[in-house]
Amino acid sequence: SYELTQPPSVSVSPGQTARITCSGDGLAKLYGYWYQQKSGQAPVLVIYKDTERPSGIPERFSGSTSGTTVTLTISGVQAEDEADYYCQSADNNGSPLFGGGTKLTVL
Amino acid sequence: QMQLQESGPGLVKPSETLSLTCSVSGDSSNTYYWSWLRQPPGKGLEWVGYIDYRGSTNYNPSFKSRVTISLHTSNKQFSLSLGSVTAADTAIYYCARLVGYCSTGICVDAFDIWGQGTMVTVSS
Repeated sequence: SYELTQPPSVSVSPGQTARITCSGDGLAKLYGYWYQQKSGQAPVLVIYKDTERPSGIPERFSGSTSGTTVTLTISGVQAEDEADYYCQSADNNGSPLFGGGTKLTVL
Repeated sequence: QMQLQESGPGLVKPSETLSLTCSVSGDSSNTYYWSWLRQPPGKGLEWVGYIDYRGSTNYNPSFKSRVTISLHTSNKQFSLSLGSVTAADTAIYYCARLVGYCSTGICVDAFDIWGQGTMVTVSS
C-alpha cells in the first residue's frame, strides 16, 4: 500500500542545515510536495514537483529526490522556520496522500 | 491574489450533518479544482475530497458514504457536507485550491492556496 513516512521530529541549531526526509514507494514515479505549518496557522506550500519553490518562499528552502525518498532541506535555519512539515504525494488511485508530519525544532 | 475563507457552525451534535462553505475571492477564473481537508487536534492532515470546475467529485474512501462536496459557481463558493458525524470528526477543516502537476502522463495534485481553517467540534 502507498504510505509516506517521515521522522516525527528533527532538531537543529540556528544557522545549521535541517533535512527532513519522506519515503514511499510511489515517490519513485510520483511528484512530492512539502508544506510548512506554523503553530495555529494553515499549511503553506513550500516545495512542489520535488524541487520547485513557489514565489515568495525563501531560497533557503530546497527539495531533492532520490529513488523512493524526497528530502526537504532548509539551509541556514532561522528561528521562524520552527514548524511542522508535511510531505504529500498520491496513493495508487491518484488521490492526495500526506505523510505523518515532522516537527522541526530550532534549538 | 486569490483568497479562500471557510464559514459554518463551530459546533455540531453527534449524528447530525456538518456543513461548511468556502468563499473564493480575488480571481475571476473558474477553471480550478477545489478541495476540503481536515486536521484533528494535535494530528496530521487528511484529505477529504475535491470537486472540479465541471462539478465532478473525488472523495477519500474513508468518507465516501458520508461526504458531499458541491460547487456554487455563481457566487464563487463551494461547500462540504459530512453526515452522521461523531466525536472523531472534530477537527480544523480547511478549504484549498488544487493544482495538478504532471510528468510522463502521471499527475499528482497539490494544494497551493489554503483558507485559514475553521474549527468544528462534534459534541452534544
